[in-house]
Amino acid sequence: RKEVEQDPGPFNVPEGATVAFNCTYSNSASQSFFWYRQDCRKEPKLLMSVYSSGNEDGRFTAQLNRASQYISLLIRDSKLSDSATYLCVVSDYGQNFVFGPGTRLSVLP
Amino acid sequence: DAMVIQNPRYQVTQFGKPVTLSCSQTLNHNVMYWYQQKSSQAPKLLFHYYDKDFNNEADTPDNFQSRRPNTSFCFLDIRSPGLGDAAMYLCATSISGGHYNEQFFGPGTRLTVL
Repeated sequence: RKEVEQDPGPFNVPEGATVAFNCTYSNSASQSFFWYRQDCRKEPKLLMSVYSSGNEDGRFTAQLNRASQYISLLIRDSKLSDSATYLCVVSDYGQNFVFGPGTRLSVLP
Repeated sequence: DAMVIQNPRYQVTQFGKPVTLSCSQTLNHNVMYWYQQKSSQAPKLLFHYYDKDFNNEADTPDNFQSRRPNTSFCFLDIRSPGLGDAAMYLCATSISGGHYNEQFFGPGTRLTVL
């Protein structure tokens, strides 16, 4: 079993749609959780950290369920510019980071 | 602005000809990483430095070596590049020891092997 697993994708959604990404991790000792986005041929960039209580940043909402070892990302009112690969990343205290395989999103006009 | 810088952005080398990629950071982060990323795949960790301590991933080929002469700089040496080593090489940094200390990535070096 891989340490971090994500929805296989790709997701093709129309503009304005709501889309949810799921991620599970196997190491129960993990402490920090992140969603990164990566545009084609660019470096990954932090989208948001995922806090235990859940957090929201504009159209983006992240949730963490430690008991189920599950992380989610919800994107509301999708924009064309949201098209990218979304990477779930799990870490211990800032040294070891484990990447999921990524889920590609295409938002269609 | 504090950042992670990689040079060159594009590198073309010949099969078997050694190449060195460089990374520098102004963030004063104590951990530096090298990743290899191929098309449609997630970044694959090659190795990382925790301060001066070198940590090699078990499946990183011996062909790949690294140096970190000081906190700010880290180098990736590919001793004898093969066609399969063509990829994007990403450098990243982080601060250890706290929650929500994310990684910061450089823009990457795209390596072509002829």
